Amino acid sequence: AQSVTQLDSQVPVFEEAPVELRCNYSSSVSVYLFWYVQYPNQGLQLLLKYLSGSTLVKGINGFEAEFNKSQTSFHLRKPSVHISDTAEYFCALYNFNKFYFGSGTKLNVKP
Amino acid sequence: DADVTQTPRNRITKTGKRIMLECSQTKGHDRMYWYRQDPGLGLRLIYYSFDVKDINKGEISDGYSVSRQAQAKFSLSLESAIPNQTALYFCATSDLEQDTGELFFGEGSRLTVL
Repeated sequence: AQSVTQLDSQVPVFEEAPVELRCNYSSSVSVYLFWYVQYPNQGLQLLLKYLSGSTLVKGINGFEAEFNKSQTSFHLRKPSVHISDTAEYFCALYNFNKFYFGSGTKLNVKP
Repeated sequence: DADVTQTPRNRITKTGKRIMLECSQTKGHDRMYWYRQDPGLGLRLIYYSFDVKDINKGEISDGYSVSRQAQAKFSLSLESAIPNQTALYFCATSDLEQDTGELFFGEGSRLTVL
């Protein structure tokens, strides 16, 4: 069975501080992994994706994620956040033509 | 213009009414999806379609139906709306040939059932 778990429903952080949003997945086969971002009153847009190759993946807006097969994790990181990063972030898994989404993490960046 | 367009963006209706949410895309993708978003539950798949003649149920299809009128159009219907169908609904597309799994989302349709 495939599943995605986002361990934190909300993450408050001060501007310019580093942040890590955690994602763990469960799958018995190789998967593609994604992070999507949803800004207020908007649809989801792709932040970054891991298909194969290098385990460190860089995305838009300074975000990066590391694929860790042994720990079945795909945590999202940013060294210094901005107010504009306030949004909800979704981790997702894709295989066998299906997508599985985590429950989302709301990142609240405070001034 | 957006590549994936949903109408209406907001709708308030009453219990028992029939509602249709429409989705059109200009990306030329074969695959189209309808998702429902509820706070704390993430996105759950309602229906998906890999081409005009292909319709598949997702994990929460009860109470919903869909129609794939053309490659570019995929509509979601609630035959008799109930309050627990109040949610944010998203249409999405993906490219069969690329098959990297990336989804392209519309901006969502917020439905409130009173």
